[in-house]
Amino acid sequence: EAQVTQNPRYLITVTGKKLTVTCSQNMNHEYMSWYRQDPGLGLRQIYYSMNVEVTDKGDVPEGYKVSRKEKRNFPLILESPSPNQTSLYFCASFSSRSVPDTQYFGPGTRLTVL
Amino acid sequence: RKEVEQDPGPFNVPEGATVAFNCTYSNSASQSFFWYRQDCRKEPKLLMSVYSSGNEDGRFTAQLNRASQYISLLIRDSKLSDSATYLCVVNKQWRSNDMRFGAGTRLTVKP
Repeated sequence: EAQVTQNPRYLITVTGKKLTVTCSQNMNHEYMSWYRQDPGLGLRQIYYSMNVEVTDKGDVPEGYKVSRKEKRNFPLILESPSPNQTSLYFCASFSSRSVPDTQYFGPGTRLTVL
Repeated sequence: RKEVEQDPGPFNVPEGATVAFNCTYSNSASQSFFWYRQDCRKEPKLLMSVYSSGNEDGRFTAQLNRASQYISLLIRDSKLSDSATYLCVVNKQWRSNDMRFGAGTRLTVKP
């Protein structure tokens, strides 16, 4: 089954404790993105990647890191989480060859930073 | 000003009603347009793409007006299962990863 998976789905942590949210897709998509969703603001892009070893900042990259060592995986790293990073996070992927150029989203990770 | 703006609602309508959502975008060079549906804090899922010629999928009709920079979604004969948040999405470049999301319009269909 074609899908995007994220882990963990729910996480409560404390300020400053490094964490990683994993994202994996099995559709051989070149493009992958991380978004955060906050009430009234919609989804905002954190980082994106156009292929292996190619990543770039989105609209709200501060406090986050990513890596793309393999095509299927795109982990999101919070080196020193802070309470303002409490949010719902979505990973997404799509293929530049797909019509329409739509994104497939993972199920989301609800993060709370105390 | 937000790049993609939507009326947040909520829209509360009875079953069988027709409801219309509008969305405006600020970047006139935007290339592709979509409506996504999101159920209560779950992942967004593509509802339909939006083309200048307009497109229809069953009870759903989407329209794009490039001159006025707005996108619309019409839902006819609303069902209880249509209750969700509808997200307007604009891609600034064709086949790029540069998508902008509206904050969403919440719809509740009541019996």
